[in-house]
Amino acid sequence: DTGVSQNPRHKITKRGQNVTFRCDPISEHNRLYWYRQTLGQGPEFLTYFQNEAQLEKSRLLSDRFSAERPKGSFSTLEIQRTEQGDSAMYLCASSLRGLAGDYNEQFFGPGTRLTVL
Amino acid sequence: GENVEQHPSTLSVQEGDSAVIKCTYSDSASNYFPWYKQELGKRPQLIIDIRSNVGEKKDQRIAVTLNKTAKHFSLHITETQPEDSAVYFCAASPASGTYKYIFGTGTRLKVLA
Repeated sequence: DTGVSQNPRHKITKRGQNVTFRCDPISEHNRLYWYRQTLGQGPEFLTYFQNEAQLEKSRLLSDRFSAERPKGSFSTLEIQRTEQGDSAMYLCASSLRGLAGDYNEQFFGPGTRLTVL
Repeated sequence: GENVEQHPSTLSVQEGDSAVIKCTYSDSASNYFPWYKQELGKRPQLIIDIRSNVGEKKDQRIAVTLNKTAKHFSLHITETQPEDSAVYFCAASPASGTYKYIFGTGTRLKVLA
């Protein structure tokens, strides 16, 4: 499978624990995005990387959330001291910067479903 | 702030009929508008997109129209089939310099056989 992959697919944790998710983008894609999707809602933007640089963060990304993309390939999203409100599907997407214009399709991964008890 | 509104939230049509989903965006500088289809338990997948310099785009049974003046865009599916049943999301990419998508809240389409 050459698409975007995410691990784990499901995570159940107790409130107050830390969790980390991983995203592996399509290999030649230099842009990587994290979104959060709750039931019945559209994905909400969290943060975005171009290569290893984190260029934009949403106000949704509280100080308990941190994302990295250390070598410009895979990315991790860590949530510290999880709260029940963090329960959601965390989606990763990647895209390739074009030569003319930047209207590049974002390809989504299958997501990591987080349940905080 | 940036916002995309999507209507209706649910839509049921008979097989073979047409379906129309409408979205309105707030940022007049938005320049790219993709539509994603998400089946239950699966990842969102792009089905069609349109750029701000184009008014209409068609791909077989699917078409998208864009009215920049009114800041709204619509998805049209003709000759609907049961496999079209899914949740559809519109999105807008705000002004140049950011590459995030602002998504609508989704439309659950049910095609009745």
